[in-house]
Amino acid sequence: EAQVTQNPRYLITVTGKKLTVTCSQNMNHEYMSWYRQDPGLGLRQIYYSMNVEVTDKGDVPEGYKVSRKEKRNFPLILESPSPNQTSLYFCASSPYGQYRGETQYFGPGTRLLVL
Amino acid sequence: QKEVEQNSGPLSVPEGAIASLNCTYSDRVSQSFFWYRQYSGKSPELIMSIYSNGDKEDGRFTAQLNKASQYVSLLIRDSQPSDSATYLCAVSRSNFGNEKLTFGTGTRLTIIP
Repeated sequence: EAQVTQNPRYLITVTGKKLTVTCSQNMNHEYMSWYRQDPGLGLRQIYYSMNVEVTDKGDVPEGYKVSRKEKRNFPLILESPSPNQTSLYFCASSPYGQYRGETQYFGPGTRLLVL
Repeated sequence: QKEVEQNSGPLSVPEGAIASLNCTYSDRVSQSFFWYRQYSGKSPELIMSIYSNGDKEDGRFTAQLNKASQYVSLLIRDSQPSDSATYLCAVSRSNFGNEKLTFGTGTRLTIIP
């Protein structure tokens, strides 16, 4: 089954404790992206990657790191989480450059609470 | 000014009527426009994409784009209770639509049986 998986789905942590949210896709997609969703602010792009070793900032990259060492994986790293990073996080992937209109496939979301 | 603006709603529409959702954007070089649907507690899913001025129809959905007015809309005909969701407008500068994507805050639509 074609899918984007995220782990963990739910996470409670404390300020300053480094954490990683994993994202993996099995569709051989070039493009992957991380978003956060907050009430009243909508869905905001954190980082995106157009291929292995190619990453770029979205609208809200501060406090986050990413890496793309393999095509299928795109982990999101919070080196020193703070309460303002409490949010719902989505990973997404799509093929790139094949044709216009290809959809982004979203993962199920990771709900993060930073105390 | 927000890059992508939507009326947050809630927008209530009787079953069988036409639901009209609107979105304006500020970046004149935007090339690709998308409508996503998000049910409560679920992930967004793409329902329409549009790149050229005019209308694009897909089943009960019609997307309308006016680049001169920097305006994109989504019409849902014969609205069904299953259309009740939050609709997100997204805009990209890329022709491929898969680089930096900016979303609006979404419009919550409720279809009243």
